[in-house]
Amino acid sequence: ILNVEQSPQSLHVQEGDSTNFTCSFPSSNFYALHWYRWETAKSPEALFVMTLNGDEKKKGRISATLNTKEGYSYLYIKGSQPEDSATYLCAFTRLGGSARQLTFGSGTQLTVLP
Amino acid sequence: DTAVSQTPKYLVTQMGNDKSIKCEQNLGHDTMYWYKQDSKKFLKIMFSYNNKELIINETVPNRFSPKSPDKAHLNLHINSLELGDSAVYFCASSSAKLAKNIQYFGAGTRLSVL
Repeated sequence: ILNVEQSPQSLHVQEGDSTNFTCSFPSSNFYALHWYRWETAKSPEALFVMTLNGDEKKKGRISATLNTKEGYSYLYIKGSQPEDSATYLCAFTRLGGSARQLTFGSGTQLTVLP
Repeated sequence: DTAVSQTPKYLVTQMGNDKSIKCEQNLGHDTMYWYKQDSKKFLKIMFSYNNKELIINETVPNRFSPKSPDKAHLNLHINSLELGDSAVYFCASSSAKLAKNIQYFGAGTRLSVL
């Protein structure tokens, strides 16, 4: 059984604050770690895919890091804006079995208050 | 043009009926997926399918079957609907040529079984 856990479950921040969330996943048989952004009433959209220990990815004010040895990834948002309000999902893919299948965490729901 | 489109967006039906949800992608991807969002908001993989292999999550009842008339379509057929099938179902697609299986999602189909 693969467990992907995300914390916190939900988060409220003020506009301009910086914030971060955690995704933990099994460290054995690691293949890739994905972050998705899911706005209400829309489709989940890919933010980052990371594969190597120590990877860091950045897109505008959002960045992510990866530690495959200990099985965690952080997502950071710098200077949060109301439009950043969404659920942020991480998903894990493992070696063996189908490398195409993602196992998702339950997400961190971020609300940025103006 | 919507990259991954699902129809219908909402489906209300009686217990015991047979229904289908359609999914189409215009991205030229080679793999398509069906996910079910469970009561705890997790996205759980049901099927992944390309023209070479169908991978079925062993927890999916055999009343659920994917049907793919061509590479751009993967429909989900459900026989003898049960109350517990009520959920939001998401279709997704990916390409082996893209980085580490980034998936593109449809907007979801909310199924209500009465």
